[in-house]
Amino acid sequence: DAGITQSPRHKVTETGTPVTLRCHQTENHRYMYWYRQDPGHGLRLIHYSYGVKDTDKGEVSDGYSVSRSKTEDFLLTLESATSSQTSVYFCAITEFSSNYGYTFGSGTRLTVV
Amino acid sequence: EDQVTQSPEALRLQEGESSSLNCSYTVSGLRGLFWYRQDPGKGPEFLFTLYSAGEEKEKERLKATLTKKESFLHITAPNPEDSATYLCAVQAADYGQNFVFGPGTRLSVLP
Repeated sequence: DAGITQSPRHKVTETGTPVTLRCHQTENHRYMYWYRQDPGHGLRLIHYSYGVKDTDKGEVSDGYSVSRSKTEDFLLTLESATSSQTSVYFCAITEFSSNYGYTFGSGTRLTVV
Repeated sequence: EDQVTQSPEALRLQEGESSSLNCSYTVSGLRGLFWYRQDPGKGPEFLFTLYSAGEEKEKERLKATLTKKESFLHITAPNPEDSATYLCAVQAADYGQNFVFGPGTRLSVLP
């Protein structure tokens, strides 16, 4: 979607390897989020950021870390990928902390073999 | 326990056949209920936000309503372009920054 891009779009990796997913926005929004989407579970929050270097954990943060060194970039790292982390990962942005809908990226499909 | 549920899980309609999707939630301190549309291979697209019971929002063939326990997404005279998965999400005081999403309803509109 215009204003938010995720990379890569698809990735296959081996168990135990580190993986970093990137979310880049051009909207200068303060809030950025990482979600994962799995069949039957809906979207679940992994981590979010409310400013440069300001991040916090979501519902399913174990095994994931994030960093935000610039307003426009929010990185999600799987330190040692496991098969349970096979999923579709979405980044989202919003200008305000509540009551406004997100703008989502197109997603990254990650397969851990 | 499930805090946001959606029904039905899947729905097939003939073109022009109106219907409603349900989103039920069990939270206190609701700040907002959100509806999204998601096409295959894409991220969810924001449709509506509802803030309080009795509120209604409309966009083309879609109308969203909210009560104290549930929200409905009414689809009037749908066409095949309305085929998608419809997600609802709740933001409440108990969740802080977390929007809790329902599992979605897959809608198929047949020509």
